[in-house]
Amino acid sequence: ILNVEQSPQSLHVQEGDSTNFTCSFPSSNFYALHWYRWETAKSPEALFVMTLNGDEKKKGRISATLNTKEGYSYLYIKGSQPEDSATYLCAHNEGANNLFFGTGTRLTVIP
Amino acid sequence: DGGITQSPKYLFRKEGQNVTLSCEQNLNHDAMYWYRQDPGQGLRLIYYSQIVNDFQKGDIAEGYSVSREKKESFPLTVTSAQKNPTAFYLCASSIGLDKNTFGSGTRLTVV
Repeated sequence: ILNVEQSPQSLHVQEGDSTNFTCSFPSSNFYALHWYRWETAKSPEALFVMTLNGDEKKKGRISATLNTKEGYSYLYIKGSQPEDSATYLCAHNEGANNLFFGTGTRLTVIP
Repeated sequence: DGGITQSPKYLFRKEGQNVTLSCEQNLNHDAMYWYRQDPGQGLRLIYYSQIVNDFQKGDIAEGYSVSREKKESFPLTVTSAQKNPTAFYLCASSIGLDKNTFGSGTRLTVV
């Protein structure tokens, strides 16, 4: 994998459903993996920064895991709410350089 | 409140003209970044600066210039050499390689 890839590109879930999406990144020269939430008409907001293989982080109903050896991270949302509707961006620090962003997963939670 | 301010929110430019986008932060962050977003693509890095009076090219620096004369300010000039400048531009700052704090963006349209 040369770039950061996110899947799916978009998804719709019913309120109350749990969901998850994937970020794949180059596993060589890993430094850190970032997750951001970007709501329409607002600035991207940092959710997590993870650096260690096996890291799991949680913020309310949102959690993330990291596998640096195979180059992927999962973001989970438990009991989705309409306010969770946003684009979720993943970004990868390669070495000690700048962030490389994926194209994002656009989540729509239907009331 | 600390944060990043980008101005203007919307900007129209005639072909062949240079235009400067403002980015100011009062977070005392050393590092600042400019990203560009196009439809269907992730954020791409234009330029970044890790300390005052120093900056580095990102992935798509051609046709852009920056300056970092003060810690708080990192203006981006879109020059006439930029072939396709119509895009959404985001400025961000961070402490080292920690999470980015983003501004609200400037949408530039060439008319």
